[in-house]
Amino acid sequence: NAGVMQNPRHLVRRRGQEARLRCSPMKGHSHVYWYRQLPEEGLKFMVYLQKENIIDESGMPKERFSAEFPKEGPSILRIQQVVRGDSAAYFCASSTFGETQYFGPGTRLLVL
Amino acid sequence: DQQVKQNSPSLSVQEGRISILNCDYTNSMFDYFLWYKKYPAEGPTFLISISSIKDKNEDGRFTVFLNKSAKHLSLHIVPSQPGDSAVYFCAAEGGGFKTIFGAGTRLFVKA
Repeated sequence: NAGVMQNPRHLVRRRGQEARLRCSPMKGHSHVYWYRQLPEEGLKFMVYLQKENIIDESGMPKERFSAEFPKEGPSILRIQQVVRGDSAAYFCASSTFGETQYFGPGTRLLVL
Repeated sequence: DQQVKQNSPSLSVQEGRISILNCDYTNSMFDYFLWYKKYPAEGPTFLISISSIKDKNEDGRFTVFLNKSAKHLSLHIVPSQPGDSAVYFCAAEGGGFKTIFGAGTRLFVKA
């Protein structure tokens, strides 16, 4: 029973480029959460999605960030025109409704 | 707006002794609390949780205590082992869909 998968594990982008982070939830999980961890800080909630629906995006920056969880395929967190301040570890978690979230290993984004 | 606070960034404990990690919260809507453990270069893993209807939950060496009136919870690890060295995150849920995490406490267990 594979856990939550995230890829890539490490991503390097230059300022102004786009970053696409992928998350495949655990089998049977239809709820996906994205979190960002800045250096020396805790996990900050970004967005909560179900299949084809964004349920809560109150933690997403208003510009350049978007997320989707299509009917087929992984959830995608997309960051357009990246800036140095976007450098962080991005974690995805999945769950069934109301149950414990299981986290992936994270994607470490470095913006040069 | 830090609704969940872990005021100790780090804690060092001798192997075999008790580790006590503390967490405070401000939002009275929170009704479910969790502790996650995180090793470097890995995602957080769920450790133990407690509902607001309880004041204690125990799982092996790990016990979580909840004091609702003080809006305080703590994680006790006894006896502490070197493999327990990790970052521990306190988290809270309630009143919405979000899970709110504290900044974490780095635990060092010395052999």
